[in-house]
Amino acid sequence: GAVVSQHPSWVICKSGTSVKIECRSLDFQATTMFWYRQFPKQSLMLMATSNEGSKATYEQGVEKDKFLINHASLTLSTLTVTSAHPEDSSFYICSARTRGRTETQYFGPGTRLLVL
Amino acid sequence: GENVEQHPSTLSVQEGDSAVIKCTYSDSASNYFPWYKQELGKRPQLIIDIRSNVGEKKDQRIAVTLNKTAKHFSLHITETQPEDSAVYFCAAREMSGGSNYKLTFGKGTLLTVNP
Repeated sequence: GAVVSQHPSWVICKSGTSVKIECRSLDFQATTMFWYRQFPKQSLMLMATSNEGSKATYEQGVEKDKFLINHASLTLSTLTVTSAHPEDSSFYICSARTRGRTETQYFGPGTRLLVL
Repeated sequence: GENVEQHPSTLSVQEGDSAVIKCTYSDSASNYFPWYKQELGKRPQLIIDIRSNVGEKKDQRIAVTLNKTAKHFSLHITETQPEDSAVYFCAAREMSGGSNYKLTFGKGTLLTVNP
């Protein structure tokens, strides 16, 4: 089946530093990838949608200068949390949609970010 | 945009009983409705989905029903087992936004199956 990986699985950083999270589709080409944020015991909140080779589309209220998204290839998208602060601590999950199908989304294992 | 309401927020059943989770959506143009299961600290896993041209779909102990007129869909789990314990999310696919077709998720239901 379609496999999505994420790296790192968890990261602890100091306030003010930047953190990059990678999302890869391992056995399929993903023209579209989604980035979600999930707080404890809450739902998945879509942050942005990235299409290969074009700028990401951000949801309302999500700062594009703080959460930089790059979808450079059909198998890789990155999310960079710039100048991270404690309130950015969360569980970040990416999702990829298989090429040629507009429905099924497969999720990565998530990255737990803790900003001290 | 799309708004998805999910009920109940928590559900506790005895092993072997059935569990039903219900969702409503607001955008009548939405046409794809997946259900995801998420165990603690893990990724959401697609367990079943349904498209708007179908009223019901079943996969072993799991079934989903869709009522387009009322704009609601439900997840049914029969013969529940302790390993069914998890958070379940429903979602609806928005048709707006061009080809992005983003999913809007419900708030989730914590299902606990007691042995």
